[in-house]
Amino acid sequence: ETGVTQSPTHLIKTRGQQVTLRCSSQSGHNTVSWYQQALGQGPQFIFQYYREEENGRGNFPPRFSGLQFPNYSSELNVNALELDDSALYLCASSSGQGSYNEQFFGPGTRLTVL
Amino acid sequence: KQEVTQIPAALSVPEGENLVLNCSFTDSAIYNLQWFRQDPGKGLTSLLLIQSSQREQTSGRLNASLDKSSGRSTLYIAASQPGDSATYLCAVIGGNAGGTSYGKLTFGQGTILTVHP
Repeated sequence: ETGVTQSPTHLIKTRGQQVTLRCSSQSGHNTVSWYQQALGQGPQFIFQYYREEENGRGNFPPRFSGLQFPNYSSELNVNALELDDSALYLCASSSGQGSYNEQFFGPGTRLTVL
Repeated sequence: KQEVTQIPAALSVPEGENLVLNCSFTDSAIYNLQWFRQDPGKGLTSLLLIQSSQREQTSGRLNASLDKSSGRSTLYIAASQPGDSATYLCAVIGGNAGGTSYGKLTFGQGTILTVHP
């Protein structure tokens, strides 16, 4: 069974640029959630995708957007990067839409905005 | 709005000691609670999941308890080892006003654990 994978591992961008982060869910999982973790903080929920539809969103501006593909992999896109977007971006997958299911996290993508 | 607090923020113990990490949440209407481990700069490893109807879960040297009515959970680590050194995060699903139909995890800020030989 393959776990959650994310790419790239690290990324450096400059302010104003756009970035795309990728996540492959664990085998058999159809739900993907994205989280942002600033240094020294707990992760913050960005949004969740279930069967290619956005299924909930946290308190993040519209320049944070996402996609989920038929194979349940997902992308997180961030436009007009700001310095405060520097963080570890985590993807989690689970099976089903419900709130009872254990979530499994990938290794994360470390984004640095200069 | 659900808020999760973890105490202490940091803990340093000698190898072999039993220890308790605490987690509290403001809204008791949760669906489940999950404990995670995070090594520096890495992703999260799920340790234990407690459903709202359960009181505790055990895995090896780890035991997590849940008291929904008081909004508290504890993670007990027996016979700690240097390899247990990491940040431990508590997260809950649910408890938001109006309810949620999706699995948004609300995290605490974590407890940094150091176990020295």
